[in-house]
Amino acid sequence: EAGVTQFPSHSVIEKGQTVTLRCDPISGHDNLYWYRRVMGKEIKFLLHFVKESKQDESGMPNNRFLAERTGGTYSTLKVQPAELEDSGVYFCASSRAQNRGLGGYTFGSGTRLTVV
Amino acid sequence: GESVGLHLPTLSVQEGDNSIINCAYSNSASDYFIWYKQESGKGPQFIIDIRSNMDKRQGQRVTVLLNKTVKHLSLQIAATQPGDSAVYFCAETTSGTYKYIFGTGTRLKVLA
Repeated sequence: EAGVTQFPSHSVIEKGQTVTLRCDPISGHDNLYWYRRVMGKEIKFLLHFVKESKQDESGMPNNRFLAERTGGTYSTLKVQPAELEDSGVYFCASSRAQNRGLGGYTFGSGTRLTVV
Repeated sequence: GESVGLHLPTLSVQEGDNSIINCAYSNSASDYFIWYKQESGKGPQFIIDIRSNMDKRQGQRVTVLLNKTVKHLSLQIAATQPGDSAVYFCAETTSGTYKYIFGTGTRLKVLA
């Protein structure tokens, strides 16, 4: 099966601009997650979708971040306006509904965001 | 993709030796743990998991040990190979939640 696909792999934007990251989960995976790793630190949870619904968005840092998953397929994460501290690697992951995350997720390769 | 962090704790081992990577987890209620391997330019990849009702689990060349008393997890890699060079993360979660808490990561360097 195809893996989790993220686009773009790299993005360099100026402070104040808008960036939209996209994630295509594995087909049939109802659960979709966004995580990020900032400044080489630990990977932190941002939010969790079940199909098109936000199940848990407790990790979203502020209202400059907006995640959507229309139709329950791919997801987008928009940062508007971007700030310097948003730089990092944004990972998307997916899992099947029935395993509740056990066995781990399948992660994408990440989008490296650099805000200058 | 992502390059390996420059300021991570680093473990350097000689090829063929055994590696031990340690992790202190934060939540005493966590009941499921995973070790992930992240190579440069790739996302984290599942290596091995363990439930809290176990204290040891073995896979192919890897063993995970869990000490709930001191909230400590370790990953042992036998006969370390150059392909094992990566950043290793432990992750914990609690039944009823889909959210994982990741450790800061350890960079493993295998010396030829």
